[in-house]
Amino acid sequence: DAGVIQSPRHEVTEMGQEVTLRCKPISGHNSLFWYRQTMMRGLELLIYFNNNVPIDDSGMPEDRFSAKMPNASFSTLKIQPSEPRDSAVYFCASSSQSPGELFFGEGSRLTVL
Amino acid sequence: GESVGLHLPTLSVQEGDNSIINCAYSNSASDYFIWYKQESGKGPQFIIDIRSNMDKRQGQRVTVLLNKTVKHLSLQIAATQPGDSAVYFCAENRAGGYQKVTFGIGTKLQVIP
Repeated sequence: DAGVIQSPRHEVTEMGQEVTLRCKPISGHNSLFWYRQTMMRGLELLIYFNNNVPIDDSGMPEDRFSAKMPNASFSTLKIQPSEPRDSAVYFCASSSQSPGELFFGEGSRLTVL
Repeated sequence: GESVGLHLPTLSVQEGDNSIINCAYSNSASDYFIWYKQESGKGPQFIIDIRSNMDKRQGQRVTVLLNKTVKHLSLQIAATQPGDSAVYFCAENRAGGYQKVTFGIGTKLQVIP
């Protein structure tokens, strides 16, 4: 299995631009998670889905952030408009058990200028 | 509030020695705990887990100890190797439905050759 696949690996954009991060979970996993990692706040859970349905989005910072999971093999995290404080590494993870091991992607490093 | 925190941000250990990484948690309802390892530029990787009905669990060169009385978790790495250099996170999950995994800030382990 290729593992959790995220794209892009790196993105540099200007303040005000729309950013879309993508994730392909491991086939057969029914839970998907979006995390944000910064030096100041560590790993923060933004949202997670179970069977493509958002279960908990209480970690989403504000209305500028939105996440979708149109099918079991794809999810997006969108930031519109982006701000410099959104600069972070965004991780996607998937899991097949609850509770259980989370399998993380390599992350998407976002820099907003 | 509910949080997971680490006592030591950085731990330096001589190669071949044993390492002990500590973690405190505050959510009494958490009943599943996990240790993750994150190497530079990569996503967190599962190391070992333990349920709250256990005090100790051993893996390959790693042991996790859980003290529910003082809400303390530790990861012991035997015969530490240079490849063990990474940031280690403890995480907690409240089982029984929602898989909401909350991570601590992390401890950086530096192995001195």
